[in-house]
Amino acid sequence: SAVISQKPSRDICQRGTSLTIQCQVDSQVTMMFWYRQQPGQSLTLIATANQGSEATYESGFVIDKFPISRPNLTFSTLTVSNMSPEDSSIYLCSVYGTSTYEQYFGPGTRLTVT
Amino acid sequence: DQQVKQNSPSLSVQEGRISILNCDYTNSMFDYFLWYKKYPAEGPTFLISISSIKDKNEDGRFTVFLNKSAKHLSLHIVPSQPGDSAVYFCAASENTGNQFYFGTGTSLTVIP
Repeated sequence: SAVISQKPSRDICQRGTSLTIQCQVDSQVTMMFWYRQQPGQSLTLIATANQGSEATYESGFVIDKFPISRPNLTFSTLTVSNMSPEDSSIYLCSVYGTSTYEQYFGPGTRLTVT
Repeated sequence: DQQVKQNSPSLSVQEGRISILNCDYTNSMFDYFLWYKKYPAEGPTFLISISSIKDKNEDGRFTVFLNKSAKHLSLHIVPSQPGDSAVYFCAASENTGNQFYFGTGTSLTVIP
């Protein structure tokens, strides 16, 4: 299984600022996924990031708010822009496992916006 | 609209007994179902899965049952151990496997 690390593990940010979350995988992968888990809610897919192309965003998520970079096959960043308290969530990146039916997750980044 | 639902936010079970975690879904196009376990400060880890062509899949102490007509799946853990205490998420996907839909999780506590 892939080993996934995320930075930072947690942060407390002021309203109106931006935070960039990094995701590093120990093997080359084509697709990386970014999820959000708001308090008491399920994991929700934000976007799919393919290396060399624009990220694909799910309904309700836009590039201006959540810009994503995918500079190579082992790394991706998600930026949460112009933050508000509603952005307080756990943000997780994931990759496919041995098949596209399974995903492995990073440890998550716990974001609190004050 | 929540397509995958876990209606029990928490469950407590005595060590050695059976834990049964339930999950319901609404989308009849889902054909693959997974259970993930999540410890605090860690990401979810894959536990067990089942394809819609089966009604049961077993892996050691963990068994997942699928009732397609009822759009219901359950995870059985027997015997339950204190190390099983975690939040369990069920997830479902259609045949492309790209979009996973997660439930809100059930927090299991196994009491020694």
